[in-house]
Amino acid sequence: ETGVTQSPTHLIKTRGQQVTLRCSSQSGHNTVSWYQQALGQGPQFIFQYYREEENGRGNFPPRFSGLQFPNYSSELNVNALELDDSALYLCASSFAGMTSVYNEQFFGPGTRLTVL
Amino acid sequence: QKEVEQDPGPLSVPEGAIVSLNCTYSNSAFQYFMWYRQYSRKGPELLMYTYSSGNKEDGRFTAQVDKSSKYISLFIRDSQPSDSATYLCATLRAGNTPLVFGKGTRLSVIA
Repeated sequence: ETGVTQSPTHLIKTRGQQVTLRCSSQSGHNTVSWYQQALGQGPQFIFQYYREEENGRGNFPPRFSGLQFPNYSSELNVNALELDDSALYLCASSFAGMTSVYNEQFFGPGTRLTVL
Repeated sequence: QKEVEQDPGPLSVPEGAIVSLNCTYSNSAFQYFMWYRQYSRKGPELLMYTYSSGNKEDGRFTAQVDKSSKYISLFIRDSQPSDSATYLCATLRAGNTPLVFGKGTRLSVIA
């Protein structure tokens, strides 16, 4: 069973540029959540995709957008990069069924984005 | 006030010590409580989760939740240098809702 993978591992961009980060979910999972982890902080929820639809969003501006594909992989796009966007971006996949029972979220290794 | 508060440390202990890590939370709607371990330059990995109040033990690790005081704890017995990592507490309202994390506590276990 393949775990959650993310690409690229590292990325350096300049202010104002746009970036796309990619996540392949674990086999059998239908939900992907994206988190931003600034240095010395815990991960902060950006948004979640369930069956290709956005299913919840944290306190992030619209220049953070995403997609989920039919194979449940996902992209995170950030436009007009700012210095404060420098962080580790984590995706987590899980399987969400019809009930509200706990579904473990499995994290990928993250993409470290540096904005200069 | 942040929804989940966690002392970031750093915490340094000798090998074999008992480690106590703690978090408090403010929202009584949280039902699930997790501890994640994160090694440097890696994603978080789930150590343990508990539902509602009580204790849960897994080897050298014990998770404790007191919903009346909104307090979450993780105890590590016989700590090892390989336990050196950042420990993140997290909470969930329900099954498919987003995780709400504390800041993380950086732990170093010295041989």
